[in-house]
Amino acid sequence: DGGITQSPKYLFRKEGQNVTLSCEQNLNHDAMYWYRQDPGQGLRLIYYSQIVNDFQKGDIAEGYSVSREKKESFPLTVTSAQKNPTAFYLCASSIGSLSNQPQHFGDGTRLSIL
Amino acid sequence: GENVEQHPSTLSVQEGDSAVIKCTYSDSASNYFPWYKQELGKRPQLIIDIRSNVGEKKDQRIAVTLNKTAKHFSLHITETQPEDSAVYFCAALPYNQGGKLIFGQGTELSVKP
Repeated sequence: DGGITQSPKYLFRKEGQNVTLSCEQNLNHDAMYWYRQDPGQGLRLIYYSQIVNDFQKGDIAEGYSVSREKKESFPLTVTSAQKNPTAFYLCASSIGSLSNQPQHFGDGTRLSIL
Repeated sequence: GENVEQHPSTLSVQEGDSAVIKCTYSDSASNYFPWYKQELGKRPQLIIDIRSNVGEKKDQRIAVTLNKTAKHFSLHITETQPEDSAVYFCAALPYNQGGKLIFGQGTELSVKP
């Protein structure tokens, strides 16, 4: 899935700080997704976007924000309101939300608290 | 909403044996079921998927079966190899839910040489 690039690979956050995780795709996919994965756990959906300039909350949106100003970009901001941000964050994309097509994942960003 | 249950949570097999992972789903309108393999610290990678109009799909040593009536689907890996060791996730795609995949909790497969 070389078409989805997440950066940085590792990120450290100080108390009270907002940090932004980047996700870019060159697959011309309409839909993009952000997941959080805690150690030994499954994937939980934070936010998703079906189309440019539109996004919806997932199951654990509190303390996070997103934007979708461009089709290829879906950045995730972890705000200071997220009290337990340490996790592995995965971005994914798919052709479109209305088609039963697979989601493809980026390499992830590992976020830790300093 | 859709709920996906995956069993077992851990599975240990000897190299060359078969491994079977099972998932059940609750929403009968779900129409797409992918399986992902995730090696430690890496991204989940799609290994096989099945759509609701098909009962079985095979790709070399990997197969997936779907029973729509019972609302369960299974991953079968034959002739397991140590490199098959990873965490496997099943998922279901509910119809008309914005493309949101609902994931199972994962199965950690260990293949002992």
